Amino acid sequence: AQSVTQLGSHVSVSEGALVLLRCNYSSSVPPYLFWYVQYPNQGLQLLLKYTSAATLVKGINGFEAEFKKSETSFHLTKPSAHMSDAAEYFCAVSSNQAGTALIFGKGTTLSVSS
Amino acid sequence: DTEVTQTPKHLVMGMTNKKSLKCEQHMGHRAMYWYKQKAKKPPELMFVYSYEKLSINESVPSRFSPECPNSSLLNLHLHALQPEDSALYLCASSLERGPTEAFFGQGTRLTVV
Repeated sequence: AQSVTQLGSHVSVSEGALVLLRCNYSSSVPPYLFWYVQYPNQGLQLLLKYTSAATLVKGINGFEAEFKKSETSFHLTKPSAHMSDAAEYFCAVSSNQAGTALIFGKGTTLSVSS
Repeated sequence: DTEVTQTPKHLVMGMTNKKSLKCEQHMGHRAMYWYKQKAKKPPELMFVYSYEKLSINESVPSRFSPECPNSSLLNLHLHALQPEDSALYLCASSLERGPTEAFFGQGTRLTVV
């Protein structure tokens, strides 16, 4: 079975500060990992994905994530937070095996203060 | 066109009503999904259709009935719902099951009274 664990249900940063949202995965097969963002009352938007190519993945809006197999981690970072980054962030996992779909972590709420 | 369109955006229904949620995509995706999302919680998988056939049903109560009339459309028929079924219902699609990303619609906010 696959799962992801997001450490920290709520992260608060100041505008311009580093954003670090943590995600650890568990998978018995090579995982495919995703970060999605959700703004209030909206659907989910893909930020970036890891599908076994480069371990450092760059996404939209200045976000990036690094796949570390030894640490079973896929943490999301952004060098400088902007007020518009305030949202809910979900880490998700799937595999290339038949019968799988995206499985989400519990989510992390990012607050950005001025 | 990278959109998944869901209608209606909001729905209020009584416990004896029958209603349907609709989802449409024109990206040529062959996998389509229904997720349920409660407030402050992650999306929970309900159903997966692959090549217009139901491939995953996550033990969803029979008062929720999915339908995939063709490769672009996905419906969720609702009947005799309970107030605890109130949630945001998200439709998603992907090129195929597995490692490709899923594209999500904006969701239908359902309230059962």
